[in-house]
Amino acid sequence: DGGITQSPKYLFRKEGQNVTLSCEQNLNHDAMYWYRQDPGQGLRLIYYSQIVNDFQKGDIAEGYSVSREKKESFPLTVTSAQKNPTAFYLCASSIGFSYNEQFFGPGTRLTVL
Amino acid sequence: QKEVEQDPGPLSVPEGAIVSLNCTYSNSAFQYFMWYRQYSRKGPELLMYTYSSGNKEDGRFTAQVDKSSKYISLFIRDSQPSDSATYLCAMSRAAGNKLTFGGGTRVLVKP
Repeated sequence: DGGITQSPKYLFRKEGQNVTLSCEQNLNHDAMYWYRQDPGQGLRLIYYSQIVNDFQKGDIAEGYSVSREKKESFPLTVTSAQKNPTAFYLCASSIGFSYNEQFFGPGTRLTVL
Repeated sequence: QKEVEQDPGPLSVPEGAIVSLNCTYSNSAFQYFMWYRQYSRKGPELLMYTYSSGNKEDGRFTAQVDKSSKYISLFIRDSQPSDSATYLCAMSRAAGNKLTFGGGTRVLVKP
């Protein structure tokens, strides 16, 4: 089955700790994205990557970091600098950055205790 | 004011009814319009994708775009309880531009 997997499904973190969310796709897509979703709000773009070894900040990149060392993987690190990290995090991919049709993973719910 | 506005609902309808959803937007440069369905605690699933103005139909779903009014709609015919979900609209100015999402409308289809 082709698709996007995110792990873990639920994640709990103490304040002051960094945590890394995993995103893997086997769709052979070039572009990958990270979004944050808060209740009643639309998805907000954190980071995106058009191709391996390249990534750009989205609208709310502060307190987050990413890497793109492999085409199929785009992990997101939520650092202690992120003031309000409790949210639902969604990873997405598209064939290429010029394609608007994005396909989403199942998400990771991060809760800061 | 948000670039894309969507009534959060919930919108409750009886099974078999037509569900009517809409988004308004302020940026006249938007040209690509999408509708996603999101079940609780799941990732969004792309339902419809349209370019510029006009209608597009796919099974029980019809998407309409009225760029002159900056208004898009999604209609779901013969609604089923399995259509109960949150529906998100998204749009972009051009291919390769970031997507701007509405906040989503929660729909409840009662048997």
